[in-house]
Amino acid sequence: DVKVTQSSRYLVKRTGEKVFLECVQDMDHENMFWYRQDPGLGLRLIYFSYDVKMKEKGDIPEGYSVSREKKERFSLILESASTNQTSMYLCASSLQGQAFFGQGTRLTVV
Amino acid sequence: DQQVKQNSPSLSVQEGRISILNCDYTNSMFDYFLWYKKYPAEGPTFLISISSIKDKNEDGRFTVFLNKSAKHLSLHIVPSQPGDSAVYFCAASDPGTGGFKTIFGAGTRLFVKA
Repeated sequence: DVKVTQSSRYLVKRTGEKVFLECVQDMDHENMFWYRQDPGLGLRLIYFSYDVKMKEKGDIPEGYSVSREKKERFSLILESASTNQTSMYLCASSLQGQAFFGQGTRLTVV
Repeated sequence: DQQVKQNSPSLSVQEGRISILNCDYTNSMFDYFLWYKKYPAEGPTFLISISSIKDKNEDGRFTVFLNKSAKHLSLHIVPSQPGDSAVYFCAASDPGTGGFKTIFGAGTRLFVKA
C-alpha cells in the first residue's frame, strides 16, 4: 500500500521561528510536492521537485524553501514563520499524473 | 486567476439521489483531469480521472464527463451515500510542465443526508 507520511499532524509555532515540515514517501516516486490548503482557495502549489536536489517554485513560493537530499524525503522550510502562513500543509508524491497525499499538517503561527 | 474553477462551494443531496459536482477550466491545453476526495483531517485521495481523448469515464458509482468545447467537466455520484460526504477537488494536469504540476480547484463540499 502506498504511503506518504508527514512528520506532524498539528504544529503551533511562534512568529519569526524557523519551521521544518518533513515528508517521506515509500513509493520510489521521483516527483514530490508541497501544497497549502486554505478555505475557498483549494490547494495551492508551493514547491515541487522532480528529482533529488532539484526543486521548482510553484505558485506561492514566497516565504518558503525546500530541501530534497534523498529521493524519499522532501522538506518544507518556513524561514521566518508569519501568521499568514497559518494553514493546512499537504505533501504529495506522484506517478503518471496521479498524486498521493500525506495526511496533512495543520500549522498555526501565533 | 484560477485556471480550474469550482463555482459551488457546497452541495446538499439526499441519500440515494444523484450528486453532480461541476468544474470549469480555462486552459484548452489541459489534457488530463482528476477528481480527489478529502475527508476532514486527512489528505486528499484520488477518486477518478479522465484523459482529454475521452468524454466519459466510469468507475462504479462514480462517472466523470468531459465537455472539451465547453471546457467543463462534471462528477456524477449515483446513488449518493452518507459516506460520500466530503470535499471534492477537481484538478487538471498542466502539460506545460510535462505533467508535473497539478492545478486544483477550490473544492466543493458535498453533504449527503440520510
